[in-house]
Amino acid sequence: DTGVSQDPRHKITKRGQNVTFRCDPISEHNRLYWYRQTLGQGPEFLTYFQNEAQLEKSRLLSDRFSAERPKGSFSTLEIQRTEQGDSAMYLCASGASGSTGELFFGEGSRLTVL
Amino acid sequence: ILNVEQSPQSLHVQEGDSTNFTCSFPSSNFYALHWYRWETAKSPEALFVMTLNGDEKKKGRISATLNTKEGYSYLYIKGSQPEDSATYLCASYNTDKLIFGTGTRLQVFP
Repeated sequence: DTGVSQDPRHKITKRGQNVTFRCDPISEHNRLYWYRQTLGQGPEFLTYFQNEAQLEKSRLLSDRFSAERPKGSFSTLEIQRTEQGDSAMYLCASGASGSTGELFFGEGSRLTVL
Repeated sequence: ILNVEQSPQSLHVQEGDSTNFTCSFPSSNFYALHWYRWETAKSPEALFVMTLNGDEKKKGRISATLNTKEGYSYLYIKGSQPEDSATYLCASYNTDKLIFGTGTRLQVFP
């Protein structure tokens, strides 16, 4: 399977714990995006990378959130001191720069904070 | 702030019915409009990418139109089938990212 993969698919944690999600994009794609989707809403942009450079971060991304893409391949999204409001589906997508923006999504990582 | 809006929020139809959804987006600085289909427990899947005013695209029983001057797109499904049940998302591509609407959740009953 050469699509976008995310791990873990599901994570249940207690409030205050740290969690980390990993995304492996399609290898030929230089751009990688993180989105968050909550019930009744569409995916909301969080941040994106071009190669290893983080080019934009949404105001939704509080100081407790950090994302990295150290070698321009896989990416991690870490949430520190989780809160119940962080419960959501975290989606990763990859694409190519210079295109009309078509993104290929993973199946998402669902986070539940108790 | 770029707002993309979709209607209706949800739709329940009988198998065989034809249906359509609306997506509205700011027409200024338009670059591209995307439609995605998102089935439960799967990843969102791209249906169409549209860039030109008056564009019409078709994939099987699903088609879409685009009006960039007035800022709207329609998605049509002809003869809905239970396997069409999914959330249909539209997104405007702007400043190197997709801005999504809230989606239309379609349920097709046999």
